[in-house]
Amino acid sequence: KQEVTQIPAALSVPEGENLVLNCSFTDSAIYNLQWFRQDPGKGLTSLLLIQSSQREQTSGRLNASLDKSSGRSTLYIAASQPGDSATYLCAVKESGANSKLTFGKGITLSVRP
Amino acid sequence: NAGVTQTPKFQVLKTGQSMTLQCAQDMNHEYMSWYRQDPGMGLRLIHYSVGAGITDQGEVPNGYNVSRSTTEDFPLRLLSAAPSQTSVYFCASSRPRAPLHFGNGTRLTVT
Repeated sequence: KQEVTQIPAALSVPEGENLVLNCSFTDSAIYNLQWFRQDPGKGLTSLLLIQSSQREQTSGRLNASLDKSSGRSTLYIAASQPGDSATYLCAVKESGANSKLTFGKGITLSVRP
Repeated sequence: NAGVTQTPKFQVLKTGQSMTLQCAQDMNHEYMSWYRQDPGMGLRLIHYSVGAGITDQGEVPNGYNVSRSTTEDFPLRLLSAAPSQTSVYFCASSRPRAPLHFGNGTRLTVT
C-alpha cells in the first residue's frame, strides 16, 4: 500500500527565505506526483504536476523535483512571501492514468513578514 | 468557466438522516472522485469514477453511495448519517495525465 509522508507538519520562516518542502513515498511505481496548495476553508489548488518520466517542473517561484528511485519529491519556494502561507500537500498517483491518488497530510507553512 | 461546483457549502444532519452532496463539473473530465478530509487523517478517497456508468470504491466507502449517470455530475449519498461522518467533503475531477481540480468543499456536521 502506497504511503506518502510529509515532514515536518508545520514550518515557520521569515519573509524572503528560500525554502524546501519534502515529500516521500514508499512505492516508486508511480504514474505522476502533484503538489497542491490549500488555504484555510478552501479546496485544493494544483501547483505542479510531474509525470513519472520527468525530473522537475517549474512555475514562477516554485520548482518541484522528483526522484522516483529514492521515493522523494521536493517543492522549492524561492523568496517566500506572506501570501505563500498555506498548507502544501503532495499526492502520488499509482500506475495508470485513472488510478487513485494517495495524499500526504500536508505541511502548514507560515511566512512571517 | 465554473470548474468543480459543490453544493451545499455547509450542512447539519441528525444521526440517521440521509442526504446527497452534489458535485458538478463543466470541463468534460472523465475522472471524478470524492474525498473526505479530517484533522490528523489527511485526505481519504471515498469513491471514484472513470466515466459515466462506472464507479468504484476508494479507501473509506462504507456508509456512502455514488452514481455517475452523466459525465458532469457525481453525487455522493449518505445513507444513514453517523457522527463519524462529520467531516469536510471534497469532490475532484481531471482528465488522464492532467492535474486534479477540486471543488471548495462541503462542511458536514452530524449531531
